[in-house]
Amino acid sequence: KAGVTQTPRYLIKTRGQQVTLSCSPISGHRSVSWYQQTPGQGLQFLFEYFSETQRNKGNFPGRFSGRQFSNSRSEMNVSTLELGDSALYLCASSPRFGTGYEQYFGPGTRLTVT
Amino acid sequence: AQTVTQSQPEMSVQEAETVTLSCTYDTSESDYYLFWYKQPPSRQMILVIRQEAYKQQNATENRFSVNFQKAAKSFSLKISDSQLGDAAMYFCAYRRDQGAQKLVFGQGTRLTINP
Repeated sequence: KAGVTQTPRYLIKTRGQQVTLSCSPISGHRSVSWYQQTPGQGLQFLFEYFSETQRNKGNFPGRFSGRQFSNSRSEMNVSTLELGDSALYLCASSPRFGTGYEQYFGPGTRLTVT
Repeated sequence: AQTVTQSQPEMSVQEAETVTLSCTYDTSESDYYLFWYKQPPSRQMILVIRQEAYKQQNATENRFSVNFQKAAKSFSLKISDSQLGDAAMYFCAYRRDQGAQKLVFGQGTRLTINP
């Protein structure tokens, strides 16, 4: 079974631009979570989606948004990019929403904002 | 809010030796899950081991085992017979028992294996 895939793997953007990152969960998985990883702040939770609904959101500004499609694929969007948005963005999928389910991580998208 | 603390930014061990990575956490909940994740240079996060808080028995996965002390809110990872492939960042993580899948991570410990 294929793992979690994230596209693109690397991305360079300019301040003020917007970016969309994509995550395809493991086949059959319906819950997708997003995390931001930076050297200074570590790993921080962004959002969690299940059945096309956002179930939980981390403490990030409104420039960070996401959505989930009917096939469970998810996208996250960052508008008006800032230098501090440079990070590794990790997506994780699990079979269901709720307790007891493991999260499987993708390889991440490395975003660099110049 | 729950917090996870890893007090050792870096650790090193000789190949074939045993090393223990420390983790403490703070929560007011009684039921939760604790995890150790490994992140090698490829950046792929890999689940190493998990512990359910309601289980008194410490989890074990081959060379990896934990020492879970619920009252002390401590969750250390022991790696026996260290191998070169164990070199990575190790993250301790907490997750509530109900509802959200949100993981709360510690800052990580960089483990170096010396041949």
